[in-house]
Amino acid sequence: GESVGLHLPTLSVQEGDNSIINCAYSNSASDYFIWYKQESGKGPQFIIDIRSNMDKRQGQRVTVLLNKTVKHLSLQIAATQPGDSAVYFCAENMYSNDYKLSFGAGTTVTVRA
Amino acid sequence: NAGVTQTPKFRILKIGQSMTLQCTQDMNHNYMYWYRQDPGMGLKLIYYSVGAGITDKGEVPNGYNVSRSTTEDFPLRLELAAPSQTSVYFCSTRGGSREQYFGPGTRLTVT
Repeated sequence: GESVGLHLPTLSVQEGDNSIINCAYSNSASDYFIWYKQESGKGPQFIIDIRSNMDKRQGQRVTVLLNKTVKHLSLQIAATQPGDSAVYFCAENMYSNDYKLSFGAGTTVTVRA
Repeated sequence: NAGVTQTPKFRILKIGQSMTLQCTQDMNHNYMYWYRQDPGMGLKLIYYSVGAGITDKGEVPNGYNVSRSTTEDFPLRLELAAPSQTSVYFCSTRGGSREQYFGPGTRLTVT
């Protein structure tokens, strides 16, 4: 089946800088996309999602961009903090398939003090 | 309000043993899911349920079984444990919004 993948497995960021995490997806029929944060030893935590009919969505310190032309999704974290160190996953979903999530492999973000 | 709870947190099994991973939610959500996460990988769907009495296979169901007799509980059963089932198992739920809520996970090692 089709799946969502991430461009880079690791990202090192200076505290206070902005982080950009990228994701490529292959299923053009997906209805929405979600970003999850997973801290060590914990389950994934919802960050933000975006519907397929949107290009951009902003949350608190995070922005998700969706480019359907090239099937690309990105998560921008403003003013990265030590607490942002985690593994970030993108996932895709379709309303018609019982909301089952397809995950990529993840990007490990490390924040340098 | 505990959300999604999973037990046990850790377990070591010998090859061929059986066990049940427990998942309980107190959010009255209809949808529940079981995922496994292998080291350095994303989550893969094992089984899911859209409501009490209804279950269906996900991407990697072989070697597992589930039941959903109540809205709150969605146990995952391993009948004959194999080393390939060494993984971290996550249960999640979904209510009326798009967000899925994940439990803290069960780390299983089969030796």
